[in-house]
Amino acid sequence: QLQLQESGPGLVKSSETLSLTCTVSGGSISSSNYYWDWIRQPPGKGLEWIGTIYYSGNTYYNPSLKSRVTISIDTSRNQFSLRLSSVTAADTAVYYCEVVVPTAGIDYWGRGTLVTVST
Amino acid sequence: EIVLTQSPATLSLSPGERATLSCRASQSVSSYLAWYQQKPGRAPRLLIYDVSNRATGIPARFSGSGSGTDFTLTISSLEPEDFAVYYCQQRNNWPMCTFGQGTKLEIK
Repeated sequence: QLQLQESGPGLVKSSETLSLTCTVSGGSISSSNYYWDWIRQPPGKGLEWIGTIYYSGNTYYNPSLKSRVTISIDTSRNQFSLRLSSVTAADTAVYYCEVVVPTAGIDYWGRGTLVTVST
Repeated sequence: EIVLTQSPATLSLSPGERATLSCRASQSVSSYLAWYQQKPGRAPRLLIYDVSNRATGIPARFSGSGSGTDFTLTISSLEPEDFAVYYCQQRNNWPMCTFGQGTKLEIK
């Protein structure tokens, strides 16, 4: 069973860049079956999809965040990463990484990591 | 972008009752409609994928139905552990994704 773990700073200053890494165990990030997502949830609010990366490096971003988001993959380390630039208080959220296999009901999430943007 | 609207925002029911949660899409969604359950402090858990398929380990009291723009999650007889927030999700233009705003299922 795949396991995912988010890591990165819990506090980021306003206007700086948020950087998080998701480390994958129990399977290969290079598998063609998997799509790797970043999703976030502001405190007390709903879920927001940030973007997805495929093992090939193809990326797909939420249009509302696209100008500030970069998702990358490191197959040698079995990790994928998120960078979100020019952060504001509105970017304060729990950030989750997730893996999904289309039409197979396979869906695993990390435990999430709270990132607070300080003003 | 497809917008998902869930109703009601809050549903108050007692254990043993039947719960019906609605998710309406702003345009037709093919088959990539899923339902998630989230409990406080926890990551969401996949319940239903492709409209009506239960994920592994999900009890049979959970069922999904619908087509086009209207989808429903039904919990046939509520157990105490079912009280949580439920989200619908669509990925009609795979892997682009949107979530509904959630329905909170609370104990009456």
